[in-house]
Amino acid sequence: KAGVTQTPRYLIKTRGQQVTLSCSPISGHRSVSWYQQTPGQGLQFLFEYFSETQRNKGNFPGRFSGRQFSNSRSEMNVSTLELGDSALYLCASSLQADSRIEQFFGPGTRLTVL
Amino acid sequence: GEDVEQSLFLSVREGDSSVINCTYTDSSSTYLYWYKQEPGAGLQLLTYIFSNMDMKQDQRLTVLLNKKDKHLSLRIADTQTGDSAIYFCAESPPGTYKYIFGTGTRLKVLA
Repeated sequence: KAGVTQTPRYLIKTRGQQVTLSCSPISGHRSVSWYQQTPGQGLQFLFEYFSETQRNKGNFPGRFSGRQFSNSRSEMNVSTLELGDSALYLCASSLQADSRIEQFFGPGTRLTVL
Repeated sequence: GEDVEQSLFLSVREGDSSVINCTYTDSSSTYLYWYKQEPGAGLQLLTYIFSNMDMKQDQRLTVLLNKKDKHLSLRIADTQTGDSAIYFCAESPPGTYKYIFGTGTRLKVLA
């Protein structure tokens, strides 16, 4: 069974631009979560979706948004990019409605903002 | 607060045991996890423990849980150079649908 896939793997943008990252969960998984990883802040929760519904959102500005499609694929969007948005963005999927059980992570998208 | 604490670095010799410690924050967290991250990679789930357990063993890995002190540890027996990585503990408070990760412990295994 294929794992969680994230596209693109690497991305370079300039300040003020916007970006869309994509995540395809493991087949059959309906919960998708997003995390931001930076050297300074570590791993921070962005949001979690289950069956197209956002169930929780982390403490990030409104420039960060996401959605989930009916096939469970998810996208996150960051508008008006800032230098501090440079990070590894990780997506995780879970089979259960209780997404605490066994989240499987993708390899991440490395975003660099210049 | 939501600060899950870990020591930043640990260095051990190949063949020795490694013990990575973590202090979590929410006593209601039902599940507690250990993840491994190798350079340039995502997070790999190593093991998890239910809060009604004190210990869980899985091959070379032993997890100990002290709920009273909200302390979690991961012991790696016979540590190998391939175990060099960053190890994260995480908790997931019920009803939040999120993980709160620790700061990560960088394990370096010396040959």
